[in-house]
Parts: sequence; structure tokens; C-alpha cells
Amino acid sequence: EPEVTQTPSHQVTQMGQEVILRCVPISNHLYFYWYRQILGQKVEFLVSFYNNEISEKSEIFDDQFSVERPDGSNFTLKIRSTKLEDSAMYFCASSEEWSEDPEAFFGQGTRLTVV
Amino acid sequence: SQQGEEDPQALSIQEGENATMNCSYKTSINNLQWYRQNSGRGLVHLILIRSNEREKHSGRLRVTLDTSKKSSSLLITASRAADTASYFCATAESGYSTLTFGKGTMLLVSP
Repeated sequence: EPEVTQTPSHQVTQMGQEVILRCVPISNHLYFYWYRQILGQKVEFLVSFYNNEISEKSEIFDDQFSVERPDGSNFTLKIRSTKLEDSAMYFCASSEEWSEDPEAFFGQGTRLTVV
Repeated sequence: SQQGEEDPQALSIQEGENATMNCSYKTSINNLQWYRQNSGRGLVHLILIRSNEREKHSGRLRVTLDTSKKSSSLLITASRAADTASYFCATAESGYSTLTFGKGTMLLVSP
């Protein structure tokens, strides 16, 4: 069964460093998303991406964050200068198409720890 | 309360019993989805119910949706220890493809 894969599963970084979280969405999917979950809190939407551009973003997704689809398979989230509060589980998701009933498939997540 | 709030926050039952979790939301939605998350792992999609549907079944799962009350319930029948996980509802608002998640219900099923 096709799945969304994320690497690495766990990333530890020092405050102020840049990190890139990687995702391989399901191959025929056109819509890509990043969500995050701070420990013990809700899963929060960060950004959606379609046709090589951001289609929606939340207030959390500020200038510190960027997304890219560098090739036909990868979808990345870059955090430019990490802060302690960026420590969270980051989930990538993809859906086949925009519809009124988007079923998003989530990856296993990358646990980011900023020290 | 915020969009997609589940209750109870935690539920502890014995194997074989039924588990019922509720979710309330505030805005107009296209659909409501339930996800499961095992501790520290990814989100697994369980079931999607559209705004024009009232009830949906999938295996041991039964979901209801009451748009007049802006609420949904997830029933897991004949629970198993393997059902132990956190369960989240997520709503897709009209005109948007993104999901808004609740805080989740942590279900513990004891053998």
C-alpha cells in the first residue's frame, strides 16, 4: 500500500541551526501539507502546497519556515534558525486532489528536538 | 471551546467493552475525519464522514455526525488492547482542504 515517508525519524539540532525535514508523498498525489504537534498538544496545520506554490499557510508558518518541492518526489520543510519552541513532531501529508472531501495520508513524522 | 474538541480527554475501559468518544466543532464543515495515533507515532486515517451523512460504519467503528449540534461521535465496539491509542477528530472547513484537529481522546484498553 502506498504511503507517505518522512526522514529522518528523529532530528536533534542546536538552537539557531537550520534543519530540513524531508518527505516523499504518495506518487500520484498533488496536494502536500506540513503539520506539527508539540508534545501533548493538538496537531496544527502549517502549510499546504500545490502546483509548486503555497496554497494556504497558518500564522505559525512565518518567515522562519519555507517549503520546497526540489524534484518530482520530495517535499521539504526548512526551518531557518531553530528555536527551542520549534521542538515538535512534524508530519507531512498528501492528498490526491483538492475536493470537498480531501483524505490526507500522513507520514510517521519527524521528531525535532532543539537543544 | 475550539474547533474539533474531543471528550473525554482520557478513557479507560476493559477489553470487550465499547468506547465512545465525542467531538464538537464550531464552523461549517465539508467533512469530519477521525484519526488514530499510537504513542509517538504517525496519524492513521480511520474514517471520513461527509456533512450530508449522519452515520457511517467501518468494521468495528461507527461514526455519527449531527451538523445541527456540530458534533460527532466515534464508537469502537468490542475493544481490544491494540485499540489503545489517542483518537483525534479533524474537520475540513468549507472551501479549504486543510484539517483542523482537536486535542484528542487518549483511550486505554486493558486486557
